[in-house]
Amino acid sequence: AQRVTQPEKLLSVFKGAPVELKCNYSYSGSPELFWYVQYSRQRLQLLLRHISRESIKGFTADLNKGETSFHLKKPFAQEEDSAMYYCALVLYNQGGKLIFGQGTELSVKP
Amino acid sequence: SQTIHQWPATLVQPVGSPLSLECTVEGTSNPNLYWYRQAAGRGLQLLFYSVGIGQISSEVPQNLSASRPQDRQFILSSKKLLLSDSGFYLCASGAGANVLTFGAGSRLTVL
Repeated sequence: AQRVTQPEKLLSVFKGAPVELKCNYSYSGSPELFWYVQYSRQRLQLLLRHISRESIKGFTADLNKGETSFHLKKPFAQEEDSAMYYCALVLYNQGGKLIFGQGTELSVKP
Repeated sequence: SQTIHQWPATLVQPVGSPLSLECTVEGTSNPNLYWYRQAAGRGLQLLFYSVGIGQISSEVPQNLSASRPQDRQFILSSKKLLLSDSGFYLCASGAGANVLTFGAGSRLTVL
C-alpha cells in the first residue's frame, strides 16, 4: 500500500539543539515528496519540496530512495520552529493526488 | 497566487442533521481540489479529490459526499451527520507543481 509514515507524534528539543523529523514512504514509482508546516493559528503551508533541493528557514530534507525516507533536519532549532510538521507524497499513479503522514508536533523549549 | 475561502469556520450540528461546507478558490483556474480531515494523531486524511467539474474521487467510505458544481467551488456535504463526523475539515487547491494551498479550515462539532 502507498503510504507516508511519521513515527513520532511529538518531538521536544531545546533551543540550539539539532532536530530531525522522520518521514518514511511506501510508493512503487519515483517519489515526489514535500514537507508542510502549520504554525499555531496559521494555515497549513508548504515548507519545502525535495525536487527543489533548497533550504528553507534552515531546514533541509534529503530523499533517500534506498531507505525510502525523507527526513527533515535542522542543525540548530529555534523556538519559532515549534509547529506541526507533515510529510506528503504525490501519487502519480492515482492522478497526482497528495497524501500526508500523521504529522509530528515539534516543540522547541528555551 | 491562490486564495482559498472556506465557510463556515465553525459549525455545531445535531446528529442526523444535514451538512454543507463550502470552499472557493481565487487566483487560478482548473485547479485540483481536495477535502482533508485533520485529526490529532491521525494526521491529514484525504477524503475527496477532484481534477475537474463533476469529477470526484472518494478516498474512504464514509457518511460524506463532495460536489464540484463550478471550476473553483468544492462542497462537502452530508444528508445525516453522525457523531464520528466531528472534526476539522480542510480544503486545498493544487494548481501546478503539486504544491497545495490550504484554506483556514472548518471545525465541525456534531452533538
